[in-house]
Amino acid sequence: ENVLTQSPATLSLSPGERATLSCRASHSVLNNYLAWYQQKPGQAPRLLIYGASTRATGFPDRFSGSGSGTDFTLTITSLEPDDFAVYYCQQYGGSPTFGRGTRLEIK
Amino acid sequence: QLQLVQSGAEVKKPGSSVKVSCKASGDTFSSYAISWVRQAPGQGLEWMGGIIPIYGTPDYAQKFQGRVTITADTSTSTAYMELSGLRSDDTAVYYCGSPSPDWVSHYFMDVWGKGTTVTVSS
Repeated sequence: ENVLTQSPATLSLSPGERATLSCRASHSVLNNYLAWYQQKPGQAPRLLIYGASTRATGFPDRFSGSGSGTDFTLTITSLEPDDFAVYYCQQYGGSPTFGRGTRLEIK
Repeated sequence: QLQLVQSGAEVKKPGSSVKVSCKASGDTFSSYAISWVRQAPGQGLEWMGGIIPIYGTPDYAQKFQGRVTITADTSTSTAYMELSGLRSDDTAVYYCGSPSPDWVSHYFMDVWGKGTTVTVSS
C-alpha cells in the first residue's frame, strides 16, 4: 500500500497569506497520478488538482499543484476566506489511497 | 461527464449487510471508473474499491477484501456497493465518484454523489 503522509495536520493562516501543503508518498506515485481535494463541513469533497498539477474546473489560478515521485505540494497564494477547509491528497497510480488531510484554519 | 445519484440513508444492525446504489446519467456509464469512498464521522476519506463497468472486474482496497462487493449494471447505468459483516465502525457516509471525461479509466473523483449515510447500531 502506498501510504500518503500529509503535513502539517493543521495550518493556521490569515487571509492574504500563502499556504503550502505537503503530501509525501511511501512509494513513488506512478505517472504522478496524484490528486488534491477540498472538503468543507457537511459537503462532499471537491476535486481541486489531478495529475499532480492540472487544476480542475472552477478553481482559480491561486491554487497550484506541483511535485513528482514521492513529494507533492499544494500551494494556495493569497488566501481568501472561502479557502479555509480540509485538503486531502490521493494517489491513483496504484491501488488508490488518501492522505489523512490538512485542516487549513483561519488564524 | 456523469451525474451520480445515490440511494438513501440506511440503518443496519451489527452483522448485517448494506447495499448502496449509485445511478449515473449524462455520459457513457460503462466507460467510467466508478469509485466508492467512505468517511466516518470526523475522519478522513477512505477508498474502498471501484469498477469500470465495461470491464466488469472490480478492484478492492486490501482492507475491504472479502467484505465488500462492487458491481455495475450497464442496462440501468447503476453501480452498487455491498458491505457485509457490518460493525459499529462501519458507520460512515459512503460516496460514489467518477473521474473527468478525459480520464475515464482512472480512480480519481471529479464528480461525487451526495453520499449515503449508513448507521450501524443495535
